Amino acid sequence: DQQVKQNSPSLSVQEGRISILNCDYTNSMFDYFLWYKKYPAEGPTFLISISSIKDKNEDGRFTVFLNKSAKHLSLHIVPSQPGDSAVYFCAASGDNYGQNFVFGPGTRLSVLP
Amino acid sequence: KAGVTQTPRYLIKTRGQQVTLSCSPISGHRSVSWYQQTPGQGLQFLFEYFSETQRNKGNFPGRFSGRQFSNSRSEMNVSTLELGDSALYLCASSTQGAQVTEAFFGQGTRLTVV
Repeated sequence: DQQVKQNSPSLSVQEGRISILNCDYTNSMFDYFLWYKKYPAEGPTFLISISSIKDKNEDGRFTVFLNKSAKHLSLHIVPSQPGDSAVYFCAASGDNYGQNFVFGPGTRLSVLP
Repeated sequence: KAGVTQTPRYLIKTRGQQVTLSCSPISGHRSVSWYQQTPGQGLQFLFEYFSETQRNKGNFPGRFSGRQFSNSRSEMNVSTLELGDSALYLCASSTQGAQVTEAFFGQGTRLTVV
């Protein structure tokens, strides 16, 4: 049973437009969420995180929104650039102690020039 | 500052053999976690070590084990390899453990079992 879901396996967006990647979770004990980006043949790279005490966190072109009541979070990339093309993973943790992350299956983003 | 280093990058083993993978965390990081990535299952948590002690464990059989040394370097061992163990094994390090923080991943070891 997947505790973290990313229902869109892939997404294509035009360069300069907004990319919105979605993530849903089922475990209400999760209280820390992260987004990672992964290029082929490389390990995942941390992008941005949010704790359950906030509903928005922004870092440059990347913004993560958290809706706790809906158990939903989304990553917005504005403006999208061709270099953003990668697989994006949503991850969640319920631990206040330790690094046990539950990852979603990933969404492949393609930004078209 | 050097990143997380995993060795070897690629490995081919025969079913029934055992394998040991190595991970050197970022200097100063005391937490090391291991993940298995497969096309069908995505990234799955194996275990986490902190100060030479296993602190968390995922739902993997006992054939998967690990350890951490006093310098925070970690090794992961898989015994009696099965074809289904073919995967990318990722190691991640993070600073410490009072609160969850982002983890920094290595490039992974691609294990192929034939």
